[in-house]
Parts: sequence; C-alpha cells; structure tokens
Amino acid sequence: GENVEQHPSTLSVQEGDSAVIKCTYSDSASNYFPWYKQELGKRPQLIIDIRSNVGEKKDQRIAVTLNKTAKHFSLHITETQPEDSAVYFCAATSLFGGYQKVTFGIGTKLQVIP
Amino acid sequence: KAGVTQTPRYLIKTRGQQVTLSCSPISGHRSVSWYQQTPGQGLQFLFEYFSETQRNKGNFPGRFSGRQFSNSRSEMNVSTLELGDSALYLCASSLIPNSQNTEAFFGQGTRLTVV
Repeated sequence: GENVEQHPSTLSVQEGDSAVIKCTYSDSASNYFPWYKQELGKRPQLIIDIRSNVGEKKDQRIAVTLNKTAKHFSLHITETQPEDSAVYFCAATSLFGGYQKVTFGIGTKLQVIP
Repeated sequence: KAGVTQTPRYLIKTRGQQVTLSCSPISGHRSVSWYQQTPGQGLQFLFEYFSETQRNKGNFPGRFSGRQFSNSRSEMNVSTLELGDSALYLCASSLIPNSQNTEAFFGQGTRLTVV
C-alpha cells in the first residue's frame, strides 16, 4: 500500500520567514495530493491541493510543488504569520480496490515566532 | 449546510470496556472515513464506508469495527479497550469515494481516554 513520509516533524520559523514542509510517497499511481492544516483544538481543513498533471500551484502565500518522477511534493509558506502556527498534514490519494484511499503523513508542527 | 458532526466530543472509559462513536456526514456525502490521531503517529486510517459497505480498511486489530447506515451516518466501535487506544478519533466525509479529487471534510473528533 501507499506510504507517505513527511518531514520535518517540527519546524520553528521567525515571523516573515518562509517555511517548507516536504513529503514523499511510494505509490506511483497516486495522483492527488491535498494538504491539511489543523490548528490547536480544531479539525483538519484543506488548504491547498495539487493533481499529478500539475507541477506547481499557488494560492496567495501558500504554494505546493510536485515532482512525480522523484515522488515528492512540498508545501511552501512565504511571509509566515503567527496564525500560520498549526500542524500541517500532507496526503497522497491512490485507488485501492476501485476506491480512493487517502494516506496521510505524520504531520509537521509549525511554530511561527512573532 | 451543517458540517460533519461527531458525538460524543469527549469520552472516558476503563480498560476492557467497549465504546461506540458516531459520525454524521455532511448532507449528501456518502463516504465516511475514520482516522485515529495520536501525537506520535499522526493520522492513521482506520476504515472507509460508502453505501453501507466497508471499502477500505487500515492496519488495526479486529477490536476496531464500524458500520454505516442508510442515511450515511457511521458508527465506530472499539471493544476490549486498551490504554493505547487513547486518542482523538476523527471522521471525514466526502461526496464520492472513487474520485481522486475529492476533499475530505473532517469532524471535530471524539477524544477518547482509556484509564
């Protein structure tokens, strides 16, 4: 089955700096890669996603890149703000038994220091 | 449109007991997935239900089971509870499971503590 590795597990950055979180996946058939943000005490929510036919996608200060050959994808947050502090999960979606199966990474706890 | 609702929010049980958690998906969503979240293990997939049938299952012992009703509401049951079952249990609903571009909407979770 699919295996998703995510690192780092914790990341501290100064406000205004950039943050990068990296994930690798094992199933070459995976073709949808969402990223979820979970603030303390809240539910995970989708912040950005990318499909395998796209190499990069941006949404304001957030961008995701995908390298299908190397089977890795990354989340980039620029000009970080204190409200970006949260746990971020990457995920890879593959078909399993005819239905999609979402495999999450272990999560990265991002702390933005004011 | 109401979001995903999980009940109860908090639960304390003793070892050996069993517990049932409930998840009501967003109206119109037919797929419900369950995850166990612990600090060291992240989000671990338990199982997914669609049209009252379990479609996928993660690597959890048989003590963990679930079901889905005709109205898409889902329940998860854990029997013979162990201390290690203490975790946040999250369910997520999505519109259709066989699309690989489907966002999963999470509930607030049920915090289970086994003592």
